[in-house]
Amino acid sequence: GESVGLHLPTLSVQEGDNSIINCAYSNSASDYFIWYKQESGKGPQFIIDIRSNMDKRQGQRVTVLLNKTVKHLSLQIAATQPGDSAVYFCAENDKIIFGKGTRLHILP
Amino acid sequence: DAGVIQSPRHEVTEMGQEVTLRCKPISGHNSLFWYRQTMMRGLELLIYFNNNVPIDDSGMPEDRFSAKMPNASFSTLKIQPSEPRDSAVYFCASSLGTGDIQYFGAGTRLSVL
Repeated sequence: GESVGLHLPTLSVQEGDNSIINCAYSNSASDYFIWYKQESGKGPQFIIDIRSNMDKRQGQRVTVLLNKTVKHLSLQIAATQPGDSAVYFCAENDKIIFGKGTRLHILP
Repeated sequence: DAGVIQSPRHEVTEMGQEVTLRCKPISGHNSLFWYRQTMMRGLELLIYFNNNVPIDDSGMPEDRFSAKMPNASFSTLKIQPSEPRDSAVYFCASSLGTGDIQYFGAGTRLSVL
């Protein structure tokens, strides 16, 4: 039968490879951005944030890049592991609405 | 800190019954959010409070939904009467301020038969 539901962009990555999840934002005046990870059966959890006075911020295995010129954020995950399988959301500080998110699928 | 605490974790009820979902935010947080998540619509903001005052309830689907925050440590989301289309996972989140990192509870999975 026909599949009905919210169509989430999905990124499939081989285990051990790097993952890059992209996000476009709308408000050029936004000065704070947050990435969340939602694993199956859980609520979204904070991963990393970045302020607009920075272009890059690194955490443990994760890096967020901010390009204000084109209003674009990316989340890079190094050496992707099965535990990284989740839906990832980006959020602007002046918006409380979460987008659809991107599903990261890890291939064995 | 125990994080955001929601109860119950699961609720199964019959159409027409009243449902009350509860949330205890993280102590010291001034903002509290209620979300609904479904396969069809994703994660939707229903309402949020700042210092116990409702700021934006434009996401509340209809008059059957109401939310209260009588004090800084407790909030409820009530559905009366409930309908099968209300079946979803309901999340509560809190943050220091409106634009700050949100910390989510484990959610309440509601099934209305």
